[in-house]
Order: sequence, then C-alpha cells, then structure tokens
Amino acid sequence: KAGVTQTPRYLIKTRGQQVTLSCSPISGHRSVSWYQQTPGQGLQFLFEYFSETQRNKGNFPGRFSGRQFSNSRSEMNVSTLELGDSALYLCASSLLATDTQYFGPGTRLTVL
Amino acid sequence: AQTVTQSQPEMSVQEAETVTLSCTYDTSESDYYLFWYKQPPSRQMILVIRQEAYKQQNATENRFSVNFQKAAKSFSLKISDSQLGDAAMYFCAYREGRKTSYDKVIFGPGTSLSVIP
Repeated sequence: KAGVTQTPRYLIKTRGQQVTLSCSPISGHRSVSWYQQTPGQGLQFLFEYFSETQRNKGNFPGRFSGRQFSNSRSEMNVSTLELGDSALYLCASSLLATDTQYFGPGTRLTVL
Repeated sequence: AQTVTQSQPEMSVQEAETVTLSCTYDTSESDYYLFWYKQPPSRQMILVIRQEAYKQQNATENRFSVNFQKAAKSFSLKISDSQLGDAAMYFCAYREGRKTSYDKVIFGPGTSLSVIP
C-alpha cells in the first residue's frame, strides 16, 4: 500500500505570497493532520480533518487554513507569507481518529 | 494541558551497544496512547513503537522495546544492538485515547541519537 504523499517536496516563496500544499493519505485513511516543524519550535499541530470536517485547529493565525476533499486528500494554504513561516510541513494520516498516524515526507517551505 | 518532555537533547551510542532514551509526560487522562517516532536525516517520520496505556505489558518491536511506567508517567525507549541506521532524531508522542478525541498528537522536543562505528 502506498504511503502518505506530499507535493511539492520543496517550495521557495517570497514574503506576501500565498502557498498551497497537498497531502494524499494512505488509501482508506480518513483522518489527516498537519504539523509545522521548525528547529526552534519543534513539531506543532496545525489542524486535523476527518471526513471533510476540521475537527481541531492548533494555535496558528488565520493565515493558515486547510480543507479535505471527499477522497480524503487534503490541502493546506498559507496566505500572506512571512519569513517565520519557513518550515517543514508534515502531513499525517490515520485510519480512524484514534489510530496511529503515518507521516508523509514533508514539504520544505522557504520564504525569502 | 498535556505535555511531553524529553530531557536528553543529544545522545550517542557505540554500534552494537544498547541505549535508552527517556520520555516523561503529563496528563490527567487514564486512556491514551504513547508513541516513539524516528526521523532520520532524510526527514521521513517513521513509527517505531506504540503503547496503549491500558496495557501493562511493555511493547516490543524487534530491537526496540519500551519501559512504560504509568504511575510515574514515564515512557523510555530501549534500542538494543544499535546499528548505524538507528542514527536519527527520536520523538516521543502522546495522544488521548477517547474515541471522541480529535486526532492531535503532542510531540516532545526530540532526542538526537548518534551511532558511533
């Protein structure tokens, strides 16, 4: 079974731009979570989707948003990019909301 | 709020030796899951081992085993017969077990493990 895939793997943007990241979960998994990983803050929870509904959101500004489609694929969007948004963005999927999460390789976002 | 602490930012071990990584957590819940994830330099996060809080038996996966002390809220990872491929960042993680819980995992700050040939 294919693992979690994330596209693109690398992105370079400039301040003020917006960006959309994509995540395809493992087939059959309905829960998708997003995390931001930085050297200073570690892994921080962004939000979680289950069956197209956002069930919880971490402590991030409204510039960070996401959605989930009927096929469980998920996208996250960051508007008005700031230098501090440079990070590795990880997506994780699980079969049920309480099951083990499996991570994708991440998208490395660099904001110049 | 739940927290996860890993007090060893860096550790090293000789190849073929055994090393133990520490993790403590804070929660008022009785039903939860604990995980150890490994993140090699390639950045792919990989599940190493999982422990259900209601199980008294410590989980094992080949060379990896845990020492789960629920009363002490301690969850250490033991790696036996360390191999070069074990070099990675190791994250301890916690998640509530209630079926109605949102799927949020709380991660510790990580321990960077080096394996010396």
